[in-house]
Amino acid sequence: DVQLVESGGGLVKPGGSLRLSCAASGFTFSNAWMIWVRQAPGKGPEWVGRIKSKVDGETTEYASPVKDRFTISRDDSKDTLYLQMNSLKIDDTAVYYCTSCLGLGKSGVVPASMLYYYYGMDVWGQGTTVIVSS
Amino acid sequence: DVQMTQSPSSLSASVGDRVTITCRASQNIFNFLNWYQQKPGKAPKFLIHAASTLQSGVPSRFSGNGSGTDFTLTISSLQPDDFATYYCQQSYSTSYTFGQGTKLEIK
Repeated sequence: DVQLVESGGGLVKPGGSLRLSCAASGFTFSNAWMIWVRQAPGKGPEWVGRIKSKVDGETTEYASPVKDRFTISRDDSKDTLYLQMNSLKIDDTAVYYCTSCLGLGKSGVVPASMLYYYYGMDVWGQGTTVIVSS
Repeated sequence: DVQMTQSPSSLSASVGDRVTITCRASQNIFNFLNWYQQKPGKAPKFLIHAASTLQSGVPSRFSGNGSGTDFTLTISSLQPDDFATYYCQQSYSTSYTFGQGTKLEIK
């Protein structure tokens, strides 16, 4: 079964740091573009950022509120995605989800670049909670 | 960033009702529009991509329509399992954005 499992959430003081992990299984992780989405209490989901596969350059993009504070990385040898969060603010309090557009159910091989734009996020982790509070 | 606006923000309906949720984009996003269902304490569940293509396993009572800036999600005959919050999301730009959600409640 395709699965994403996040870990690393917790309580941290403003200005602190935290690293989230997302362990993937059941699919070829190295081919996938991976995404972090967060959801503050009572709010809708918010895209945090994306990392491409190594073959597509492993480049990253970030949402404006987290740019220059958060860093997405991946270790394909461990099938694991990371989110390094620095200079945390109270507004970063949220459930953080690891997700991807895998094209599950589609026949044939579809490039990850096409799935990112033409498909939706069809696999999600259970989320890990980050609370930033003094 | 592309702004996504959903309406209504909440909706009370009964089992068997037909309901429609609207999502409007701040610019032309063609059909790069996805819909999700979320229940409390759970991750969003992917329902529809490309504005109108149902994900495998999603009941046919769900349908999506629209292109450009105006989109709809319709549930033709509400079932008890459908009471949840629904979000639209654009994938036209690299920086995905979501609507603020529509909470569908039992009347």
